[in-house]
Amino acid sequence: GAVVSQHPSRVICKSGTSVKIECRSLDFQATTMFWYRQFPKQSLMLMATSNEGSKATYEQGVEKDKFLINHASLTLSTLTVTSAHPEDSSFYICSAREGRRSTEAFFGQGTRLTVV
Amino acid sequence: QKEVEQNSGPLSVPEGAIASLNCTYSDRGSQSFFWYRQYSGKSPELIMFIYSNGDKEDGRFTAQLNKASQYVSLLIRDSQPSDSATYLCAVTGDYKLSFGAGTTVTVRA
Repeated sequence: GAVVSQHPSRVICKSGTSVKIECRSLDFQATTMFWYRQFPKQSLMLMATSNEGSKATYEQGVEKDKFLINHASLTLSTLTVTSAHPEDSSFYICSAREGRRSTEAFFGQGTRLTVV
Repeated sequence: QKEVEQNSGPLSVPEGAIASLNCTYSDRGSQSFFWYRQYSGKSPELIMFIYSNGDKEDGRFTAQLNKASQYVSLLIRDSQPSDSATYLCAVTGDYKLSFGAGTTVTVRA
């Protein structure tokens, strides 16, 4: 299957700072990328969908000014958690689709964010 | 009502037995159905996908889909300790995947 690389895998930051997470598709062009958040013992919750070159579509309840998503190229999407707080500590996972008709999504390795 | 529901588990099976996982979904327009395996602290990995009614087999895994009943299942035959993980059912009708809460499976050696 296709490879999606997510970086960093772990990050610890101080409350009030911002953290950027990168998601790259290594061997295909990702027309659409998805960002999920997963709290312990819970399932993946979709935060936003981004299409290359356009603004991200955020799910209800997700603050777009706090979770900034940029999908500037067909191989890179970034999620920036701004002014992070301890309640933002979670496992963040990106996934990517190749082409608009594709339904199979490939997941990055995930980023464990801890805000202290 | 949740869009995708799974039996919560945890499910404990002896090594060599069959593990049976169930999933129901609410959107009749759903077209694609996926089973992912997620080990603790890792991101999900795709096990199988199924689009048509009936059974689909891949090695020790069999997915079953019944669109009329809005039901999809996963059977794991000859369960191994390495199969111990959380299994996520995911459904898509448009471009978004909706995940169930997952079923944790423990295979006892």
